[in-house]
Amino acid sequence: EVQLLESGGGLVQPGGSLRLSCAASGFTFSSYAMSWVRQSPGKGLEWVSAISGSGGTTYYADSVKGRFTISRDNSKNTLFLQMNSLRAEDTAVYYCAKAGDSSGYSDSDYWGQGTLVTVSS
Amino acid sequence: EIVLTQSPGTLSLSPGERATLSCRASQSVSSSYLAWYQQKPGQAPRLLIYGASSRATGIPDRFSGSGSGTDFTLTISRLESEDFAVYYCQQYGSSPWTFGQGTKVEIK
Repeated sequence: EVQLLESGGGLVQPGGSLRLSCAASGFTFSSYAMSWVRQSPGKGLEWVSAISGSGGTTYYADSVKGRFTISRDNSKNTLFLQMNSLRAEDTAVYYCAKAGDSSGYSDSDYWGQGTLVTVSS
Repeated sequence: EIVLTQSPGTLSLSPGERATLSCRASQSVSSSYLAWYQQKPGQAPRLLIYGASSRATGIPDRFSGSGSGTDFTLTISRLESEDFAVYYCQQYGSSPWTFGQGTKVEIK
């Protein structure tokens, strides 16, 4: 059974940093791209970032480019999102999602339950 | 960036009725790389359709997807109580991947 468990969310001040993690199990982690998708309170889904199965290719939304860094540790089946220079508009539930293939050009067939990030003073 | 526009914003229907949801792209979606997701309150999204028309594992056949290029449709043939939710389309053919703003299917 595929399981994705996010952690690392919490309250952070504007300008601060946070690192999210997503522990994966139930599939061959290195064979699949992974993504982060966020949802602000009461709003729709926003794709944030994706990384190929090998970790060699990354993709970012313009809204986070230069501030967020996606990475993965295939030896530990874990996905990360390093978030710097956080802004109030980054407040959201952050979901980790598994892609349908290794490239990233794929739908997201499994999702975690999300971790809440609140940026506020 | 490909902008996806979903319509209508809200669809008010009764159980047993047919639901037709639209997703229009600002430019052609490469290789029909278009997915549909269902989200219920307090839950993560669930993949329904990928590749514009292929049902994901375990999805009932009352859900179907169609379309290509810039116009896509999700059809729910006969609404059941568990189908009342918000539905999102997503394109993953060109970076950045993008979602539509969602269509809420509510009980009339």
